[in-house]
Amino acid sequence: ETAVFQTPNYHVTQVGNEVSFNCKQTLGHDTMYWYKQDSKKLLKIMFSYNNKQLIVNETVPRRFSPQSSDKAHLNLRIKSVEPEDSAVYLCASSLLVSGNTLYFGEGSRLIVV
Amino acid sequence: QQKVQQSPESLTVSEGAMASLNCTFSDGTSNNFRWYRQHSAKGLEVLVSIFSDGEKEEGRFTAHLNRANLHVSLHIREPQPSDSAVYLCAVSTNTGKLTFGDGTVLTVKP
Repeated sequence: ETAVFQTPNYHVTQVGNEVSFNCKQTLGHDTMYWYKQDSKKLLKIMFSYNNKQLIVNETVPRRFSPQSSDKAHLNLRIKSVEPEDSAVYLCASSLLVSGNTLYFGEGSRLIVV
Repeated sequence: QQKVQQSPESLTVSEGAMASLNCTFSDGTSNNFRWYRQHSAKGLEVLVSIFSDGEKEEGRFTAHLNRANLHVSLHIREPQPSDSAVYLCAVSTNTGKLTFGDGTVLTVKP
């Protein structure tokens, strides 16, 4: 049963627009993540937060910014989207910072036209 | 930097025949291995976790780990069409750095 919820599941927008993806987990986990999955299914970590604190910030363009109001929520904002931002964005959570199973949401597919 | 490679890239098996997927990793300090499955347009779900050499069984899914050979495999017993999905290997080092493999697309034909 899904316990990591993402909205929207699908979004089409034009180059230059701003997009936000929301993620909420009901597992009581301390750590949340955003991954980007490309068309070849390759998963790349973008950000991870532990108890609202940023702990991993991989090299992503500055137009991407994570936002966390509490440890159950981690949103992703993209200012001025580019065509290469078209991908599936997956939110995940885990009990602790490292070494634990990740629980994923169903993904948010972004198409930039 | 850790490299995690999966093979084959795609695999088709008949229903009921064993399916075997492979994953090699480059960092010898890796100590935490998981296999995830991703159905089309869905998130990932964990199938089996393994932390020491040998095998670990979870239902029809069995993982084999050989850290000396930098290799972890997944065997699916009696696969069904509903097992058709992308299978991803996830490897963590002793510093907690997690890397996913590039996936194997499994198709199970009735």
